[in-house]
Amino acid sequence: GEDVEQSLFLSVREGDSSVINCTYTDSSSTYLYWYKQEPGAGLQLLTYIFSNMDMKQDQRLTVLLNKKDKHLSLRIADTQTGDSAIYFCAENAGKSTFGDGTTLTVKP
Amino acid sequence: NAGVTQTPKFQVLKTGQSMTLQCAQDMNHEYMSWYRQDPGMGLRLIHYSVGAGITDQGEVPNGYNVSRSTTEDFPLRLLSAAPSQTSVYFCASSYGAGTGELFFGEGSRLTVL
Repeated sequence: GEDVEQSLFLSVREGDSSVINCTYTDSSSTYLYWYKQEPGAGLQLLTYIFSNMDMKQDQRLTVLLNKKDKHLSLRIADTQTGDSAIYFCAENAGKSTFGDGTTLTVKP
Repeated sequence: NAGVTQTPKFQVLKTGQSMTLQCAQDMNHEYMSWYRQDPGMGLRLIHYSVGAGITDQGEVPNGYNVSRSTTEDFPLRLLSAAPSQTSVYFCASSYGAGTGELFFGEGSRLTVL
């Protein structure tokens, strides 16, 4: 069955880059997603990448996809305290399978 | 545009009680789903629906029932609550299963004593 794995915690200093990693198993995923969850709120889509792409850049966000290794990463440049949240990677979109989430803490 | 609306936001139940978590969306989405979120376990799919009149089980369906009589509404029923069902529940919808963004409600925090 599908499985998505992420490391649980990441702590960085304000202004540094953050890299959140994810591995997945379902090679049939058309899209792969990154969602952000702020405290007490639901998840919101942060960015996504089509499965035939290697990289997608969106302002401070860079998504890298290694389809051969089934590895997805999210890089946040110039990380700010407002980026502190839980980040989930997910495969598919409807019957999505989510990772356990990576809690990003940004220290001033 | 309200998006996905869940009620109630908070609920405390005693073991054995029943209740319904409501979910409504106003985006004409065909696909709706319920997840539960527990610490260290991420989001787990409970039930989902690909359209009115069609429902199916997800990863953790036991103890929960759903129905989809309209496109807009997808209630989640707990028939006999157990402490193991203490969790935060999220309803989500998307235009179609397999493509597109999932839109989430703000969550319903349920405590079963």
